[in-house]
Amino acid sequence: DAGITQSPRHKVTETGTPVTLRCHQTENHRYMYWYRQDPGHGLRLIHYSYGVKDTDKGEVSDGYSVSRSKTEDFLLTLESATSSQTSVYFCAISAGTTRGTEAFFGQGTRLTVV
Amino acid sequence: QKEVEQDPGPLSVPEGAIVSLNCTYSNSAFQYFMWYRQYSRKGPELLMYTYSSGNKEDGRFTAQVDKSSKYISLFIRDSQPSDSATYLCAGYGNNRLAFGKGNQVVVIP
Repeated sequence: DAGITQSPRHKVTETGTPVTLRCHQTENHRYMYWYRQDPGHGLRLIHYSYGVKDTDKGEVSDGYSVSRSKTEDFLLTLESATSSQTSVYFCAISAGTTRGTEAFFGQGTRLTVV
Repeated sequence: QKEVEQDPGPLSVPEGAIVSLNCTYSNSAFQYFMWYRQYSRKGPELLMYTYSSGNKEDGRFTAQVDKSSKYISLFIRDSQPSDSATYLCAGYGNNRLAFGKGNQVVVIP
């Protein structure tokens, strides 16, 4: 299995509190992604990173921020959690080589905002 | 409009049947196309990927891409109960990896 770890795996938090999810990789892959997965919506891209300190928004970035100060870590922050952000969050990594891209996913973080 | 469209309807088939899954995409920058399989409460795992148009076969699985019509297909031959999972199509280009909503497939013994 690709060396990718998400933490925490489960979290319950209150509306209005900030929350940070961590994705850690040991593969030295250049690309890292944060997705959320909800019934009826599938996987939706929140933010992605194509290098240290290089990030860009995905299709559902409102209310989320990210940081990547090291190759191995990609943090997702919910600035002020809302119930609509209750979801399963997946981190993915990819080498993004010209040969193609094989994205490896973490096991997910189940976040509940009450 | 989502970059990758996949009708999320569930699909039930008897064991041994051919499973056919389809997606369309809108982003002309996509060069690589993937199919992921996701078991319940697990992260998606890459099943197959194809570069540009064409077919790719891997055992019982065949992936097809038609860039002229922006159409992606996955066929599973001789389906097995262990193939029961959600299948997600994806396109990659310009650093972006976008997914369809996924199809839940149930193979009935």
